[in-house]
Amino acid sequence: AQSVTQLDSHVSVSEGTPVLLRCNYSSSYSPSLFWYVQHPNKGLQLLLKYTSAATLVKGINGFEAEFKKSETSFHLTKPSAHMSDAAEYFCVVIGGYNKLIFGAGTRLAVHP
Amino acid sequence: GAVVSQHPSRVICKSGTSVKIECRSLDFQATTMFWYRQFPKQSLMLMATSNEGSKATYEQGVEKDKFLINHASLTLSTLTVTSAHPEDSSFYICSAKTGIYGYTFGSGTRLTVV
Repeated sequence: AQSVTQLDSHVSVSEGTPVLLRCNYSSSYSPSLFWYVQHPNKGLQLLLKYTSAATLVKGINGFEAEFKKSETSFHLTKPSAHMSDAAEYFCVVIGGYNKLIFGAGTRLAVHP
Repeated sequence: GAVVSQHPSRVICKSGTSVKIECRSLDFQATTMFWYRQFPKQSLMLMATSNEGSKATYEQGVEKDKFLINHASLTLSTLTVTSAHPEDSSFYICSAKTGIYGYTFGSGTRLTVV
């Protein structure tokens, strides 16, 4: 069965410093992976997705993620955090019957 | 791009009443819609999957008689919370499948039962 584990429930960074949100996956076949962002009381916005093409995936707002099969990881990074990046981030994998399986989420705080 | 319009964004209802939440696909046909609920500071939990013209498939532990899902057309899916109680207070989000790897989310509905 497919699953994702987000290794940090909270991450706090200073504005202008790099962001790293960690996600490990478990899958019996080549997975399709996503990162979504959710601002308070809002729906989810897709940041990027991996679908077995290039292992380095570039997304919106300067985010990118690298699929590493040897490490079963799909960590999300951004070189320089902005205050507007403060939100909840979800690592997601497609499971059976096209259902999305969500990680527990990582709350990113950005300090001035 | 594909847009899913979800209404209402917020609703407060009295205990024992029913509430309907609508999700409309504005510029595409949504053959499959997923419904999630999200408790504060928690992840999304899939409640059910609906396919246009057929009965919804509910996840284990979700009461199908309490959470009625209708997907009668390719552009509209509804979730009705029947006989709502305070423990049903939550954030409900719909998501439409838009392609092989495409999923579009509604903006969510904050339900408060008093």
